[in-house]
Amino acid sequence: GAGVSQSPSNKVTEKGKDVELRCDPISGHTALYWYRQSLGQGLEFLIYFQGNSAPDKSGLPSDRFSAERTGGSVSTLTIQRTQQEDSAVYLCASSLRGAGGGFQETQYFGPGTRLLVL
Amino acid sequence: GQQVMQIPQYQHVQEGEDFTTYCNSSTTLSNIQWYKQRPGGHPVFLIQLVKSGEVKKQKRLTFQFGEAKKNSSLHITATQTTDVGTYFCAGYENYGGSQGNLIFGKGTKLSVKP
Repeated sequence: GAGVSQSPSNKVTEKGKDVELRCDPISGHTALYWYRQSLGQGLEFLIYFQGNSAPDKSGLPSDRFSAERTGGSVSTLTIQRTQQEDSAVYLCASSLRGAGGGFQETQYFGPGTRLLVL
Repeated sequence: GQQVMQIPQYQHVQEGEDFTTYCNSSTTLSNIQWYKQRPGGHPVFLIQLVKSGEVKKQKRLTFQFGEAKKNSSLHITATQTTDVGTYFCAGYENYGGSQGNLIFGKGTKLSVKP
């Protein structure tokens, strides 16, 4: 079946503008994660959705970042008033059941959105 | 908070040489996962280790999980140019039943000279 998809694949924006990044997880996966990967760096956790539970927003770097997950499927990561330091690859991943109950699952990653803030 | 550290940051090898990357956590992990990211690509899951002292092999790749479940290693025997990429370890902190998020190391970037 189809994997995790993300759009757009590339986004160039001007400092101060808002951007929306979209993630379509694998069908049936209840857990969805957003990560950020700056050039040459490791993955930085941003936010985690699990089913209908309140999302874990502990990784969001500032209040300019927010995310929604509608209908338990598609997710949108919004960055308001973008700054140059927001330039990075934003990766989305999904897993079947997510963390919880002592069982952790493999995360399947999308291709990412490369964001460049000028 | 939990930290997952990987060394080395970069490794350049001649094709045919062996390669090892090490992952260390500041706290006990409930499991550890390894991912490979090809240049320009996204992380792809390689393997998950759960048991203390566990060793798993995938062809030329050998993965180990330490007895204390605080460290892990990935060893590649006789590297090939197809092994090029960044190898990430990632672990969930062990909260005795509930866990936090998957924390990634910064990765080891492997280059292989033919």
